[in-house]
Amino acid sequence: NAGVTQTPKFQVLKTGQSMTLQCAQDMNHNSMYWYRQDPGMGLRLIYYSASEGTTDKGEVPNGYNVSRLNKREFSLRLESAAPSQTSVYFCASRPGASGQDTQYFGPGTRLTVL
Amino acid sequence: KNQVEQSPQSLIILEGKNCTLQCNYTVSPFSNLRWYKQDTGRGPVSLTIMTFSENTKSNGRYTATLDADTKQSSLHITASQLSDSASYICVVSAQAGTALIFGKGTTLSVSS
Repeated sequence: NAGVTQTPKFQVLKTGQSMTLQCAQDMNHNSMYWYRQDPGMGLRLIYYSASEGTTDKGEVPNGYNVSRLNKREFSLRLESAAPSQTSVYFCASRPGASGQDTQYFGPGTRLTVL
Repeated sequence: KNQVEQSPQSLIILEGKNCTLQCNYTVSPFSNLRWYKQDTGRGPVSLTIMTFSENTKSNGRYTATLDADTKQSSLHITASQLSDSASYICVVSAQAGTALIFGKGTTLSVSS
């Protein structure tokens, strides 16, 4: 059981470039999430998918798009990267959308935008 | 506004000593509270989860307490080890919602 996996682990982009962060989980979870973590701030929700086929905006969705490719995979796309998007990105999943379920996090992707 | 405040921001203790981390929240209506441990360069890992009716929950040397009346929680670490060096994040869930409210975390350094 790999849990939640993310690729790549590190990425450096130039302003204006695009890229897709990949996330996959092998726990048969219904809900998946994308967060960003910046120094001195708590984790902030970018987008989430409560179930396959649905996606919703979180607290900080501007500049991002997501795709729930299937039950296992949830990708995050930056269409035109900006220095303000320099951050550590975490993908997470949990069995359902209930607040009682524990979220399981991936190892993170460290993104630098120059 | 739903908020989670943690204190102290950082803490340094000697190996073998105990410590207590604090979490105050203003989330309403409250569903549950979790403590996560985040090692440097890794994703957060759940330590404990407590609902409204639970006062105490233990996980090895980690003991979390919850006072739902004062909206306060603490995480007590007993006989600290070097491997306890990490960021500890308090996360509160509101009822009937999928959103989690994250605190900024307390960075704990355990030195020998």
